[in-house]
Amino acid sequence: ETGVTQTPRHLVMGMTNKKSLKCEQHLGHNAMYWYKQSAKKPLELMFVYNFKEQTENNSVPSRFSPECPNSSHLFLHLHTLQPEDSALYLCASSQVSGGSSYEQYFGPGTRLTVT
Amino acid sequence: DAKTTQPNSMESNEEEPVHLPCNHSTISGTDYIHWYRQLPSQGPEYVIHGLTSNVNNRMASLAIAEDRKSSTLILHRATLRDAAVYYCILRGLMDTGRRALTFGSGTRLQVQP
Repeated sequence: ETGVTQTPRHLVMGMTNKKSLKCEQHLGHNAMYWYKQSAKKPLELMFVYNFKEQTENNSVPSRFSPECPNSSHLFLHLHTLQPEDSALYLCASSQVSGGSSYEQYFGPGTRLTVT
Repeated sequence: DAKTTQPNSMESNEEEPVHLPCNHSTISGTDYIHWYRQLPSQGPEYVIHGLTSNVNNRMASLAIAEDRKSSTLILHRATLRDAAVYYCILRGLMDTGRRALTFGSGTRLQVQP
């Protein structure tokens, strides 16, 4: 496997379900991100992790719970979601080093539908 | 974050060059100009970035105005696989992995055969 992988690629869940999205990066990066892309809206940041520590939470509702057990893996735990949470959830990674601005590498995303 | 302005959509013919404009009149002296693109049903991918000088790589060229208030992404020969949404994003010098990308609406490029 190379780059950033996400599983599952598609997920349909009811509002009372609990599910998790998984992201894995094979690039040796030390920062990982969750973004949300709703229909007809720009991508928006949800969470940022640096060296396994959460450094940004973009006012995301508590029904979304991230977990970063190590610098290669990132999870997004979902519970009691609403239909408006249906979207494409994208994971990304990048290398943090000094003051340079390094590019981010994105996974293919998980298409989530909440019924 | 400084804001960028891009046309909503553009069309091109296959095998012809494409110039995708971006205005960023409030850019600061330490902001890098990044371009990403998102192909259908995929996550965004990095294309190119620059600070002041024009930049070339295997995917595209980036032409930056002398006053840095605008830039142009150039695809030298568009192919059908270049049909995507192209995003112009500014990132500050100290925006390492601790700062995420701020996406706008981008330019949807359609390539006609």
